[in-house]
Amino acid sequence: EVQLVESGGGLVQPGGSLRLSCAASGFTFSDHYIDWVRQTPGKGLEWVGRSRNKANSYTTEYAASVKGRFSVSRDESNNSLYLQMNSLQTDDTAVYYCVVVNTAYYPDYWGQGTLVTVSS
Amino acid sequence: DVQMTQSPSSLSASVGDRVTITCRASQGVSNSLVWLQQKPGKAPKTLIYGASRLQSGVPSKFSGSGYGTDFTLTISSLQPEDSATYYCQHHKNYPITFGQGTRLEI
Repeated sequence: EVQLVESGGGLVQPGGSLRLSCAASGFTFSDHYIDWVRQTPGKGLEWVGRSRNKANSYTTEYAASVKGRFSVSRDESNNSLYLQMNSLQTDDTAVYYCVVVNTAYYPDYWGQGTLVTVSS
Repeated sequence: DVQMTQSPSSLSASVGDRVTITCRASQGVSNSLVWLQQKPGKAPKTLIYGASRLQSGVPSKFSGSGYGTDFTLTISSLQPEDSATYYCQHHKNYPITFGQGTRLEI
């Protein structure tokens, strides 16, 4: 059974940093692309970034709104995906989901999400 | 960026009804289109991929169609548990984008 468990959310001040984790199990971690997607009440669902699979050297893509501030990385040794978020802004307040992407490039499984609140 | 526009934004239906939700892409996305269901307080769940293929474990009351720019999600034999918000999402290129959602009330 595929499981994705996000953690690391919380309250952070504007300009601060936070690292989210996504612990993955139930599938071959290195074979799959994995996305970060966030959701706010006002802006709905927004794709944040992607880590490609090992065959594609774990290269990354980012939404324009986070490029240069957020970074996606992986640790194969413990099947974990990370989202390093720097220079956080109030607009980054959202529930952040990690999403396993099927080998046909569509979203397959979603984690339960972790809430990030950026506020002074 | 590809803009995804859903209609209607919300709708109300009765048990046993059939409803159709539409999604239009601002440029062609081939069949790189998924439909998601989200219930309150829960993560989204993938219902349909490839515009028309049913995700494993999803009941056949859900069906999708379309190609290029115009897509539909049809839900038949509505039950109270189908109350949710439904989203379309393309994954043709970057950035991946979502429709604004359609809230379905039974």
